[in-house]
Amino acid sequence: ETGVTQSPTHLIKTRGQQVTLRCSSQSGHNTVSWYQQALGQGPQFIFQYYREEENGRGNFPPRFSGLQFPNYSSELNVNALELDDSALYLCASSDGLAGSLYEQYFGPGTRLTVT
Amino acid sequence: AQTVTQSQPEMSVQEAETVTLSCTYDTSESDYYLFWYKQPPSRQMILVIRQEAYKQQNATENRFSVNFQKAAKSFSLKISDSQLGDAAMYFCAYRSGASGTYKYIFGTGTRLKVLA
Repeated sequence: ETGVTQSPTHLIKTRGQQVTLRCSSQSGHNTVSWYQQALGQGPQFIFQYYREEENGRGNFPPRFSGLQFPNYSSELNVNALELDDSALYLCASSDGLAGSLYEQYFGPGTRLTVT
Repeated sequence: AQTVTQSQPEMSVQEAETVTLSCTYDTSESDYYLFWYKQPPSRQMILVIRQEAYKQQNATENRFSVNFQKAAKSFSLKISDSQLGDAAMYFCAYRSGASGTYKYIFGTGTRLKVLA
């Protein structure tokens, strides 16, 4: 069973640029969630995708957008990067949405630095 | 809105001793789940233990156990026989049981240091 993978591991961008982060969900998982973890903080929910449709969004501006593909892998796109976007971006996958304990399995994250 | 509070930014424990990490949460829901995640310096979050709110019995996973006090909205993690490998950031997380977006709400974390 392959776990959640993310690419790239590290990324340095300049303010105003655009960035795309990628996530491959764990085998058999159809739901992907993205979180932003600023230094010294807990992860903050950005949005979630279920079977290629957005299924909820946190308090992030529209310049944060996402996509989920038929194989359930996902992308997080951030436009017009700001210094405050510097953070660890975590992807988490799970099997379905409903009921019980569909726990989320996290990837290792992408460290984004905006200068 | 639900919130999760971890009031201990850092804790230390001697190897082989027991330590308890605190977590409180606020919610008006009756159906929810609580989790403790561990984030070692390698960054990958690992599930330590989970608790369903409808279960009165406290969850236990080997050396890890929780003290779930639903009325007090408290969810502490006890680590027994601490090992050097337990050193990490520990996050308490809440997830609603209602249908909709199954997002996790995390606390700010507690850094656990294990002293040899």
